[in-house]
Amino acid sequence: DADVTQTPRNRITKTGKRIMLECSQTKGHDRMYWYRQDPGLGLRLIYYSFDVKDINKGEISDGYSVSRQAQAKFSLSLESAIPNQTALYFCATSDSDQPQHFGDGTRLSIL
Amino acid sequence: SQKIEQNSEALNIQEGKTATLTCNYTNYSPAYLQWYRQDPGRGPVFLLLIRENEKEKRKERLKVTFDTTLKQSLFHITASQPADSATYLCALDSRTGGFKTIFGAGTRLFVKA
Repeated sequence: DADVTQTPRNRITKTGKRIMLECSQTKGHDRMYWYRQDPGLGLRLIYYSFDVKDINKGEISDGYSVSRQAQAKFSLSLESAIPNQTALYFCATSDSDQPQHFGDGTRLSIL
Repeated sequence: SQKIEQNSEALNIQEGKTATLTCNYTNYSPAYLQWYRQDPGRGPVFLLLIRENEKEKRKERLKVTFDTTLKQSLFHITASQPADSATYLCALDSRTGGFKTIFGAGTRLFVKA
């Protein structure tokens, strides 16, 4: 089983819909992150959480919200999806300042 | 502005040769630098980390150098194999102004048999 699991793996939806992407981990790491990846732009940080009671905005948090339900779970929501949020979304975890471990991503298309 | 740059053009090399990928950065003082590998449809996988006070790090066929004067890291794969074909991302970590990890856009490597 994967250490960092993202669901769904693929999602197609319409403009204006509310979407939730979920991430769970079995690594026991305190830190969790959400990134989006667009061609030619690299990974950009949306939100991150250093523990259950800690939530921080990243570089591109507008239009997104997150919830850290437990140490192992970190979900990303798009309250009202728009087409320019079409991207590949990755969840990652890390232990303190150690390298990050990524899930296999959610490919999200907004029509 | 802070910027991290990797060659956007794909690198094509012959099996057995050494692949060298470049990561340049500006207006940034990284505490350490990381290299990740990403295969199509998968998340990035960590390969190597090098700290600001280290000049070189090796792991099997991989070698990373870090020159804070040139603001550049080089990533080498020796005796390359077709299985090394992937996109390689560099990432900088700075403790200035709080937590911040910046990823480059990656360089695609193709190793031909």
